[in-house]
Amino acid sequence: GENVEQHPSTLSVQEGDSAVIKCTYSDSASNYFPWYKQELGKRPQLIIDIRSNVGEKKDQRIAVTLNKTAKHFSLHITETQPEDSAVYFCAASSGGSNYKLTFGKGTLLTVNP
Amino acid sequence: GAVVSQHPSRVICKSGTSVKIECRSLDFQATTMFWYRQFPKQSLMLMATSNEGSKATYEQGVEKDKFLINHASLTLSTLTVTSAHPEDSSFYICSARQGAYGYTFGSGTRLTVV
Repeated sequence: GENVEQHPSTLSVQEGDSAVIKCTYSDSASNYFPWYKQELGKRPQLIIDIRSNVGEKKDQRIAVTLNKTAKHFSLHITETQPEDSAVYFCAASSGGSNYKLTFGKGTLLTVNP
Repeated sequence: GAVVSQHPSRVICKSGTSVKIECRSLDFQATTMFWYRQFPKQSLMLMATSNEGSKATYEQGVEKDKFLINHASLTLSTLTVTSAHPEDSSFYICSARQGAYGYTFGSGTRLTVV
C-alpha cells in the first residue's frame, strides 16, 4: 500500500519568514495530493491540493509543488503569521480502494511573533 | 459547502460499555465514509472504509468485532466501540467522500474510557 513520509516533524519560524514542509510517497499510481491544517482538538481543514497533471499550484501565501518523477511534493507558506501555527498533514490518494487517503505523520509549525 | 455533522463531540464512558458515534452528511450523499483514529500528537490512522449498504473494509490490525461500522444510508454512518477499555480512549474522526476527491471531515469525537 501507499506510504507517505513527512518532514520535518516540527518547524519553528519567525513571523514573516517562509516555511517549507516536504513529503514523499511510494505509490506511483497516486494522483491526488492534499494538504491539511489541523488545530488542537479540531477537524483537519483542506488548505490546498494538487493533482498529478499539475506541477505547481498557488493560493495567496500558500503553494504546493509536485515532482512526480521523484515522488515528492512540498508545501510552501510565505509571510508566515502567528495564526499559521498548527499541525500540517500531507496526504496522497491513488483513486483505488475507494479513494482512501494515506496521511503523513504531520508537522507542528510554530510561528513566533 | 459540504458539511458533515459528527456526534457526540465528547463522551466519557465506563470500561466495558459501548459507545456509538454518528456521522451524517447534511447536504450531500456520501459515496464512501472513512473512519479515523487519532492519538495525541499523532497522525490520522485509517480504521475502516464503508460504502452504503455493504460491509465495511477494515485496515490491518483493526478489530472489526470491536469497532462496528454501520452505513445504512448515503447520509449516515455510525461507529460503535464495543466493550470499551481505557486504551480505546482517542479522538475519532469520520470523513465523507463525495465524487472523486471531495473529502469532508466531521468535527471529531473525543472518547475517554474510565
